Amino acid sequence: QLQLQESGSRLVKPSQTLSLTCAVSGGSISSGGSSWNWIRQPPGKGLEWIGYIYQSGSTYYNPSLKSRVTISVDRSKNLFSLKLSSLTAADTAVYYCARGGSSSWYVGWFDPWGQGTLVTVSS
Amino acid sequence: QSVLTQPPSVSAAPGQKVTISCSGSSSNIGNNYVSWYQQLPGTAPKLLIYDNYQRSSGIPDRFSGAKSGTSATLGITGLQTGDEADYYCGTWDDRLSTVVFGGGTKLTVL
Repeated sequence: QLQLQESGSRLVKPSQTLSLTCAVSGGSISSGGSSWNWIRQPPGKGLEWIGYIYQSGSTYYNPSLKSRVTISVDRSKNLFSLKLSSLTAADTAVYYCARGGSSSWYVGWFDPWGQGTLVTVSS
Repeated sequence: QSVLTQPPSVSAAPGQKVTISCSGSSSNIGNNYVSWYQQLPGTAPKLLIYDNYQRSSGIPDRFSGAKSGTSATLGITGLQTGDEADYYCGTWDDRLSTVVFGGGTKLTVL
């Protein structure tokens, strides 16, 4: 059974860079045609998709965050990572990683999800 | 303000049926597949429905999905107290070139 687990910085200062890692277990990040995604949820609010990476290293980012986002993959360690720069309080959220599936050219669904990690941006 | 519009809350009695709507436009729901997620309190979202009406593995047939034009609907029959959760719809938006979600609907089983 595929499982994802986020880890990384929980408290980050404004203007700094958030760094998170998603460890994949129960399956290989290199197998199949799945995308590997990051999604966030501000406290008490809805979901916002951040972007994805394929095992090939190909990426796609939400245009609203594109200038600040970098997603990378480490196939040898079976994990992928998120960096989000120039942080403000508005970036405070629970950050989830998730495998993406699709029946078309765009990512269509997310399953499974990691448990999520709360990142707080505060001085 | 979410691109996809969901009612903030719905409620129904145990054993009854409820539907949750998700309204969009021709650039998102009207042209792309819809997925639905259940988020129990304090947990990560869980995939219920993908490709408009396909149930994810292990999801009981009490949960159903439908799409018509620029709107989608999640149906839940035989409501249980354990179904109390936030429900989100999601799809791709061709104009924004990104995944978009609804604002979420809180289901209360009275």
